[in-house]
Amino acid sequence: EAGVVQSPRYKIIEKKQPVAFWCNPISGHNTLYWYLQNLGQGPELLIRYENEEAVDDSQLPKDRFSAERLKGVDSTLKIQPAELGDSAVYLCASSFDTSTDTQYFGPGTRLTVL
Amino acid sequence: AQSVTQLDSQVPVFEEAPVELRCNYSSSVSVYLFWYVQYPNQGLQLLLKYLSGSTLVESINGFEAEFNKSQTSFHLRKPSVHISDTAEYFCAVRTSSNYKLTFGKGTLLTVNP
Repeated sequence: EAGVVQSPRYKIIEKKQPVAFWCNPISGHNTLYWYLQNLGQGPELLIRYENEEAVDDSQLPKDRFSAERLKGVDSTLKIQPAELGDSAVYLCASSFDTSTDTQYFGPGTRLTVL
Repeated sequence: AQSVTQLDSQVPVFEEAPVELRCNYSSSVSVYLFWYVQYPNQGLQLLLKYLSGSTLVESINGFEAEFNKSQTSFHLRKPSVHISDTAEYFCAVRTSSNYKLTFGKGTLLTVNP
């Protein structure tokens, strides 16, 4: 069974440019998470989806970040415009549900903003 | 709100030596506890978890962790490490009523020959 797929794996852009990350969760997983992982830190939740509904986006900086999961399967996270401080690894995770189920992580997208 | 403290940012050990990676948590309600491992350039993989029942949980590759409620700890141990265990290890906590995982800052385990 395929795991969580993310693309691209690496992205280098100049500040003020837009960037988008894509995630395809494990088949059948209804819950999808986007995390931000800064260097030397643990992941921090940005947004959680239950099917196509964003049920918790309280940690998402909405002035420049947006996300969507239109058909309740794959998801896109966008930053526009990117800032130097956005350089980090963006992780996607999925789980069957949010009760006691394990969250499975993708390999992440490493973003470098110059 | 819950929090996690991983007391060591780096732990260097020699191959076949025992290792303990420390994790303490803070929460006012009952918790679920997790250890994830992150190999270089890879995503996080679940190593083991405590949800309920036996306080000692084991992974398939020889790691174990013990939930200690009185000391609010969930330390990770392995009696004999291999070179291939070199990775970053993250402790995480969530409450039984809240889906949100809170991670520690991670411990880099480096196993030297």
